[in-house]
Amino acid sequence: DQQVKQNSPSLSVQEGRISILNCDYTNSMFDYFLWYKKYPAEGPTFLISISSIKDKNEDGRFTVFLNKSAKHLSLHIVPSQPGDSAVYFCAASEGNTPLVFGKGTRLSVIA
Amino acid sequence: IAGITQAPTSQILAAGRRMTLRCTQDMRHNAMYWYRQDLGLGLRLIHYSNTAGTTGKGEVPDGYSVSRANTDDFPLTLASAVPSQTSVYFCASRRLAGGTDTQYFGPGTRLTVL
Repeated sequence: DQQVKQNSPSLSVQEGRISILNCDYTNSMFDYFLWYKKYPAEGPTFLISISSIKDKNEDGRFTVFLNKSAKHLSLHIVPSQPGDSAVYFCAASEGNTPLVFGKGTRLSVIA
Repeated sequence: IAGITQAPTSQILAAGRRMTLRCTQDMRHNAMYWYRQDLGLGLRLIHYSNTAGTTGKGEVPDGYSVSRANTDDFPLTLASAVPSQTSVYFCASRRLAGGTDTQYFGPGTRLTVL
């Protein structure tokens, strides 16, 4: 049973527009959420995180929104750039338990 | 540069052979993890260790073993490799301090079992 779900395997966005990647989770005890970005032949790299006590965290072009009542988080990238093309993984944890990852969404930013 | 190193970068292995994937971190993180990445399945946890001397099973532990003799090293062993273990393996580490610390990944090992 998947605790973290990324229901869109892929997403295509025009350069300069907004990219919205979505993630749903089932475990209400999760208290920390992260997004990772992965290029081919490289390890995942940390992008942005949010604690369950917040509903928004922003870092430059990247903003993560958390809706605890809906058990939903999203990553917004504005404006999208071709270099943002990668696979994005959503992850969640409860305290010090290991991160649980979604299956990933492949973002393609078209110039 | 501080981080996580993995060796080998890639390996082709005959089925039935024993193989150890190496992972070393220099960030003094107490927790370390092994994941495998397969197309359409995302990152699945194999084994983890919250501190030196302890290990735990993840989502897909069968066929794999780990040890954590010290803080820095966390080797993953396939005792008798099978083709279904063909995958990309990522080691990761994290400083456990209240559960809000970033987890960092190594560059991965691409393993092919024939």
